Formats: sequence, structure tokens, C-alpha cells
Amino acid sequence: GQQVMQIPQYQHVQEGEDFTTYCNSSTTLSNIQWYKQRPGGHPVFLIQLVKSGEVKKQKRLTFQFGEAKKNSSLHITATQTTDVGTYFCAGPRISNFGNEKLTFGTGTRLTIIP
Amino acid sequence: GAGVSQSPRYKVAKRGQDVALRCDPISGHVSLFWYQQALGQGPEFLTYFQNEAQLDKSGLPSDRFFAERPEGSVSTLKIQRTQQEDSAVYLCASSLIPSYRGRETQYFGPGTRLLVL
Repeated sequence: GQQVMQIPQYQHVQEGEDFTTYCNSSTTLSNIQWYKQRPGGHPVFLIQLVKSGEVKKQKRLTFQFGEAKKNSSLHITATQTTDVGTYFCAGPRISNFGNEKLTFGTGTRLTIIP
Repeated sequence: GAGVSQSPRYKVAKRGQDVALRCDPISGHVSLFWYQQALGQGPEFLTYFQNEAQLDKSGLPSDRFFAERPEGSVSTLKIQRTQQEDSAVYLCASSLIPSYRGRETQYFGPGTRLLVL
């Protein structure tokens, strides 16, 4: 079945340093979504990428979708304490019943050293 | 509030007890999803409703798990004869459009943290 892996599993950075998490799917994806989950919280949708090679920016966050639509990355510039949390990518796949369902990656937990 | 709500937020059950977890999706949202999130893992799909119809229950781990959404709004996930391995956070998410159209944004509730002793 479809697998979505993320690396690294954990990342500790000094406040102000950059951070990148990488997402790799075993299958080609129609789109990829990114979510952020704060400690003790629930996943919050960040963005969706659809096109091959697409790059989107949200302030200090840059999201990329690979040319082959099997990998993606999230880069945060100049991290702040508010960036703490676990970042998940999620890829959809069509079930046998016709609905699309998300397969979440393993997540990258970001901690910030003040 | 206009978000997805879930209750209870925390549930402690003795092994063998039945539990019922409730999800109130965003009003008007057609799609409703249940996920199970084990500690340190990403959410794992359990089941999907389009309005009141349960179209996909392929992720339910056993026949002890049962979900319903009888009127196409509130949903309940029931776990019978709970086991320790059922301990996890159970997340509910809703989206505006039917899932087969794809590319929908899912809005997650705060989850119910279930601990089975």
C-alpha cells in the first residue's frame, strides 16, 4: 500500500536557525497537503500543493512539490518559538470505494532552543 | 464556535468497557472522517462518511469498532470491549465537499484521548 515517510523524525534548532522537513511517497500523488500539530493539539491544515514542481510561500514557510509528484519539502526560515510542533505531510489515495483518503506521513517534530 | 468539536476530550476506560466518542462537525460539511493517532505517530484513517452514508470503513481495526452518522451531522465512534491497544487519540475531521472530488481541506477537531487500563 501507499507509504509516506518523513525525515528527520526529530529536529532541534536554535531559535533563528532554518528548518527543513522532507516527505517521500512510495506512489505518485495527485496533491500533497501539509499540517501542523502543536503539542497536545490537533492537526491544522497549512497548505495544499497540486502541480508538479509547485512552490508556495507562507511568510517564513516555503513548500515545494517535486517534479515527479512523489516528494515534497517544507522549509522554515529563521525559526521562532511559535513554530514548535510536529509537521505532517499527507497524500491522498483513492479507496476501493471511490473516496479519497489521506495517508499521513510519520511527521517531523520540531523543537526550538531559545 | 464554528470549528469541529469532540467530546469527551479525555476518557479513561477499564479493559472490556464500551466507549462512545462524539464528533460535531462544522455545520454543512458533507464529509466526515475518523482517525486514530497513536503516540508519536501520524493520524491513521479509520472511516469516512458522506452525509449519513458510511462509504469507507476499511480502516477500522476490528469489528469492535463501529461508527455512525444517522442524520448526516453528528457522528459517534463506538468501541466495544476496549483493549489496551485501543489507547490513542481519536480525531474527527470534516470537509465541505464530498471526498471523491478530492483536494478537500479537512478541519480537525481537538480529539478524544482514550486511555484503556
